Amino acid sequence: GDSVTQMEGPVTLSEEAFLTINCTYTATGYPSLFWYVQYPGEGLQLLLKATKADDKGSNKGFEATYRKETTSFHLEKGSVQVSDSAVYFCALKFYFGSGTKLNVKP
Amino acid sequence: DTGVSQDPRHKITKRGQNVTFRCDPISEHNRLYWYRQTLGQGPEFLTYFQNEAQLEKSRLLSDRFSAERPKGSFSTLEIQRTEQGDSAMYLCASSLPPIDLTSGNTIYFGEGSWLTVV
Repeated sequence: GDSVTQMEGPVTLSEEAFLTINCTYTATGYPSLFWYVQYPGEGLQLLLKATKADDKGSNKGFEATYRKETTSFHLEKGSVQVSDSAVYFCALKFYFGSGTKLNVKP
Repeated sequence: DTGVSQDPRHKITKRGQNVTFRCDPISEHNRLYWYRQTLGQGPEFLTYFQNEAQLEKSRLLSDRFSAERPKGSFSTLEIQRTEQGDSAMYLCASSLPPIDLTSGNTIYFGEGSWLTVV
């Protein structure tokens, strides 16, 4: 069945460091892929999405490219900020990964 | 506020009792989802509706759990004979339908209903 697997956390980085959070998927066809974020004390919200293979989703300096060759949708940001500290969830249609907690230290 | 709303926000119940949660989706969304989330985990899919039809239900979902959406608007999730392992946050979400069945659409979450079974 459809599912996503994402890297376990927590991930701890210093401010301005490069971020990669890995996500791989198993699916029939090429469904939409999403990254959601949950900031401390807040609900889940969409960060970015890609609706077809080779699409790149981007928002708030984050990017992820839908790669069918490697069945991946890794989340990247070139320079993280303390305000990016949150839990990030990869999702395929409406199935969610287990989440990766990111801690950014000043 | 026209977001997804859930009620109650918190519920403490004794083991063996039944509980019911209500969800009101965003008005133009005809898809409604229920999830369970425990600390440190992602949202675990339980079931979803398109209008009043329940289209998918997790195989992990116990027979003690039942969800309804009788008029295609609000939905209820009932847990019968609660157990301590049912303690979790129950999330409701809604979306517009995707372009096709293999696709997906942005999901909007409610604040969740915390359940504590003592």
